[in-house]
Amino acid sequence: QKEVEQDPGPLSVPEGAIVSLNCTYSNSAFQYFMWYRQYSRKGPELLMYTYSSGNKEDGRFTAQVDKSSKYISLFIRDSQPSDSATYLCAMSWNSNSGYALNFGKGTSLLVTP
Amino acid sequence: GAVVSQHPSWVICKSGTSVKIECRSLDFQATTMFWYRQFPKQSLMLMATSNEGSKATYEQGVEKDKFLINHASLTLSTLTVTSAHPEDSSFYICSAPMKTYGYTFGSGTRLTVV
Repeated sequence: QKEVEQDPGPLSVPEGAIVSLNCTYSNSAFQYFMWYRQYSRKGPELLMYTYSSGNKEDGRFTAQVDKSSKYISLFIRDSQPSDSATYLCAMSWNSNSGYALNFGKGTSLLVTP
Repeated sequence: GAVVSQHPSWVICKSGTSVKIECRSLDFQATTMFWYRQFPKQSLMLMATSNEGSKATYEQGVEKDKFLINHASLTLSTLTVTSAHPEDSSFYICSAPMKTYGYTFGSGTRLTVV
């Protein structure tokens, strides 16, 4: 079993829809959770970062972490065609810079006008 | 801030030749650089961790003699794919931890070996 599971999609939604992206994980030691957006043939860019259970909001994006269920989510409100990209969840058990991230496979999202 | 510049963005090389990929931290000092490989529709898989001034640490299954990593300064880390073969064709990305939190990524290098 992989440590981080993420449905690869693809997920297609109409413009303006609410998008829900999810990841589950098996390692209860993970403490730091991130969501990255990756456009085709580009490096990932950090969207959200959180280290506690609960919700964190930033504009149209809300990150949710449920450590008891080992489940994290990213919600995108009022989705736009420019949100079309691959979304990667990532996590780490230590904020120490010596530790790399564990990534999900990424979910491909297409927002249609 | 916290930008990692990665070059080249794409490269095509002949089988058996070597290719060098560079990652430079432009406005910060990166004592650590992570090197990932990403196959189509797959996740980023960590290949190795480089630390300035010391030998790189390779993940299990990654050949250190084939993927040479050098981190000679606080602003430059390089990955050289030696004697490249078609199965090495992939998307290679470097990443450095940021001061505050999270990690910043290079823009990636698409390597095609023909």
